[in-house]
Amino acid sequence: GQQLNQSPQSMFIQEGEDVSMNCTSSSIFNTWLWYKQEPGEGPVLLIALYKAGELTSNGRLTAQFGITRKDSFLNISASIPSDVGIYFCAGQLRFHNTDKLIFGTGTRLQVFP
Amino acid sequence: DVKVTQSSRYLVKRTGEKVFLECVQDMDHENMFWYRQDPGLGLRLIYFSYDVKMKEKGDIPEGYSVSREKKERFSLILESASTNQTSMYLCASSGQPGYNEQFFGPGTRLTVL
Repeated sequence: GQQLNQSPQSMFIQEGEDVSMNCTSSSIFNTWLWYKQEPGEGPVLLIALYKAGELTSNGRLTAQFGITRKDSFLNISASIPSDVGIYFCAGQLRFHNTDKLIFGTGTRLQVFP
Repeated sequence: DVKVTQSSRYLVKRTGEKVFLECVQDMDHENMFWYRQDPGLGLRLIYFSYDVKMKEKGDIPEGYSVSREKKERFSLILESASTNQTSMYLCASSGQPGYNEQFFGPGTRLTVL
């Protein structure tokens, strides 16, 4: 099955540092999504991107939808301990009447005080 | 508050057993999904359903089946569990297309001995 390439696989950073992660695909998507999964929980949507070139912010998070529609990145500024978790990108495909998501392999983020 | 619940957080089964994983959503969503999550592989779609009694194969359906008899409930069935089905299983639901957010349950960690 199709998968998205996400990097880096893991990051260990100090509190206050900025974080950047990205996702690439061989296929075009019309929507890119970024999810965060905290330990012991299911993923939760952080940001949705609907247009090529779009740059969207949600607090300290900024995400961009690549111009080619084959990539996206997520930046976290001034990281804090509660940013710890696994971050997943996802590209959306329409199938029948359903928005099916293809997920990236995930970036595990650890933040040290 | 939207909610997706899964019947068990942890499950231990023996090889060859029939295993049922249950998922219930209270949002009156049309679409429901089953994923498995493995380190380094992200979330991979097993099956999904866009209506009662309707089901579609995802990317890794082999060894699994599903049942959707009621709108709010989506069951994942392992007919004869094998050790390579040891994984975290996540259920999700979403509304009509255009509302892209999939809401996830907390996951079931299944160990097959």
